[in-house]
Amino acid sequence: DSGVTQTPKHLITATGQRVTLRCSPRSGDLSVYWYQQSLDQGLQFLIQYYNGEERAKGNILERFSAQQFPDLHSELNLSSLELGDSALYFCASSVGVASGGQETQYFGPGTRLLVL
Amino acid sequence: AQSVTQLDSHVSVSEGTPVLLRCNYSSSYSPSLFWYVQHPNKGLQLLLKYTSAATLVKGINGFEAEFKKSETSFHLTKPSAHMSDAAEYFCVVGKGGSQGNLIFGKGTKLSVKP
Repeated sequence: DSGVTQTPKHLITATGQRVTLRCSPRSGDLSVYWYQQSLDQGLQFLIQYYNGEERAKGNILERFSAQQFPDLHSELNLSSLELGDSALYFCASSVGVASGGQETQYFGPGTRLLVL
Repeated sequence: AQSVTQLDSHVSVSEGTPVLLRCNYSSSYSPSLFWYVQHPNKGLQLLLKYTSAATLVKGINGFEAEFKKSETSFHLTKPSAHMSDAAEYFCVVGKGGSQGNLIFGKGTKLSVKP
């Protein structure tokens, strides 16, 4: 158990809908990262927050957004969902923001999203 | 720009035989390198991490990896495979600069035959 929790574990929804994925980092970790794992794209970085502020953006679609709250939990909002958004979404956390990606990131169990 | 290439998409070994999962990296400076494992329907677990302290890195469950700068490689090995090692393994490099995110290889699926 990494100490990172994600809810829900599974989510089934329809095209055009909006969903919210939630992540609670390990106790004491200030950075939260979101990743998407799909069969065709593999594991891709979406976005990073550090202590409530956006720190880095990856291949995140404009239909997707995220935020980190004062208690450090984070939410990933996915809107106008398409079939291709079906994937496993991982949250990870780390202590802070060291340069060069040196910090170990601890991953949650993921949320499996299925868009029908 | 940083990148990783996992040279085999699938590796099959017999239980009790050595495991070798190959990874080459590309980085404009001394990289941070990681191996993560993903068991079926599970999250990602860190196996080991290299951050220039030592070229031979020991991880959990008997795995180790050797950083070879001249070959830009970071291969994962284990002397004797166990059935429970069957999983997907990801070689990962830290993005670098001011950003802390990770860049994942495409993964190597390890099968272990009894």
